[in-house]
Amino acid sequence: DTGVSQDPRHKITKRGQNVTFRCDPISEHNRLYWYRQTLGQGPEFLTYFQNEAQLEKSRLLSDRFSAERPKGSFSTLEIQRTEQGDSAMYLCASSSEGDREKLFFGSGTQLSVL
Amino acid sequence: AQSVAQPEDQVNVAEGNPLTVKCTYSVSGNPYLFWYVQYPNRGLQFLLKYITGDNLVKGSYGFEAEFNKSQTSFHLKKPSALVSDSALYFCAVRDMSGGYQKVTFGTGTKLQVIP
Repeated sequence: DTGVSQDPRHKITKRGQNVTFRCDPISEHNRLYWYRQTLGQGPEFLTYFQNEAQLEKSRLLSDRFSAERPKGSFSTLEIQRTEQGDSAMYLCASSSEGDREKLFFGSGTQLSVL
Repeated sequence: AQSVAQPEDQVNVAEGNPLTVKCTYSVSGNPYLFWYVQYPNRGLQFLLKYITGDNLVKGSYGFEAEFNKSQTSFHLKKPSALVSDSALYFCAVRDMSGGYQKVTFGTGTKLQVIP
């Protein structure tokens, strides 16, 4: 069990650029979640995958955001035409079918949009 | 809609004293309730959960939480605080009735244990 890995740890970009983040969940976990956290707030749900199927999307997830989990293993979150308001910590979590309520979080990707 | 409230931004407690971190929730149906802890520069870690059954739930690192349906509360407790317990604590809820996997987190309570 190597835990949930996220890459990169930090990303600085200019407004209008596209960015992509990667999440590698715990290998036997079929459920994967993306959350966003800003300073002084709790994590906000963005989207949920069960295997390769994206089953839930938050209304927070504008059409500039897209997430994939093509083979039911790693996932990517892409933000197109970044805005300063996108600056946040992007968290990935995973859970197993046997204990679906226990989420294991990665350390996150800190995005700064200048 | 589901929500949680953590009324205290910060809780200070002396080492060795009991601690309580408060949480209240709101859901349409029955709740799944959780506590997570976040240490500096580290990811969120699961502490405990309430799904059903006994109202007193025991979790990691000696923490426990009490589910009170009439007061819609799920306070986190520990009999004797350690300096190493100092961290940011998040309460979270998922509404069982909606069939959704979305978990809603509170804004967090910073716990400071004073030596």
